[in-house]
Amino acid sequence: DAKTTQPPSMDCAEGRAANLPCNHSTISGNEYVYWYRQIHSQGPQYIIHGLKNNETNEMASLIITEDRKSSTLILPHATLRDTAVYYCIGPAGGTSYGKLTFGQGTILTVHP
Amino acid sequence: ETGVTQTPRHLVMGMTNKKSLKCEQHLGHNAMYWYKQSAKKPLELMFVYNFKEQTENNSVPSRFSPECPNSSHLFLHLHTLQPEDSALYLCASSPSEGDKTEAFFGQGTRLTVV
Repeated sequence: DAKTTQPPSMDCAEGRAANLPCNHSTISGNEYVYWYRQIHSQGPQYIIHGLKNNETNEMASLIITEDRKSSTLILPHATLRDTAVYYCIGPAGGTSYGKLTFGQGTILTVHP
Repeated sequence: ETGVTQTPRHLVMGMTNKKSLKCEQHLGHNAMYWYKQSAKKPLELMFVYNFKEQTENNSVPSRFSPECPNSSHLFLHLHTLQPEDSALYLCASSPSEGDKTEAFFGQGTRLTVV
């Protein structure tokens, strides 16, 4: 499994961009980086994933460094509803895409 | 609404009871999973099923017994649990093949063992 490291907590003002970093220095060349979030007492929700190119969808953008040792999840205009625990995950491998190794994640608090 | 439905949402059971958690998905996925989330701990993968066959058991005690009768349904049968088994139990589903893609999680069952 790829090991990931995230800061335990971050704050962001509503309407501003939230930039959540993740280090994954041991990720292998064919391993994707996934981001999920978990709003209090709910199941995790998929956000985005990438291999080596930057990715963007309706929820967020993912910037992966050229050496693939780190990435940043960007929520362009954070809202109060984005307050959650954000998990950066290197997949456990194989074809079971739900076989995920969760760490402690980053608690993002969006304040007014 | 993720397409993965878990019932019940909350369950209180005694240590001598037998109960079952149910998970249902109609997303056409062939892989299903059980996760456990204890207070202040990361989510832990318990079981993996692919095409109804159990492909992974992460050293889960036998008092937890999964069942996957078809690709759309997954059960977790519980018996003689301990108070430390109190946790949020999450079910997830995903494709088993194809382009790398995501897993979908249910809302979970909050289990309290008394």
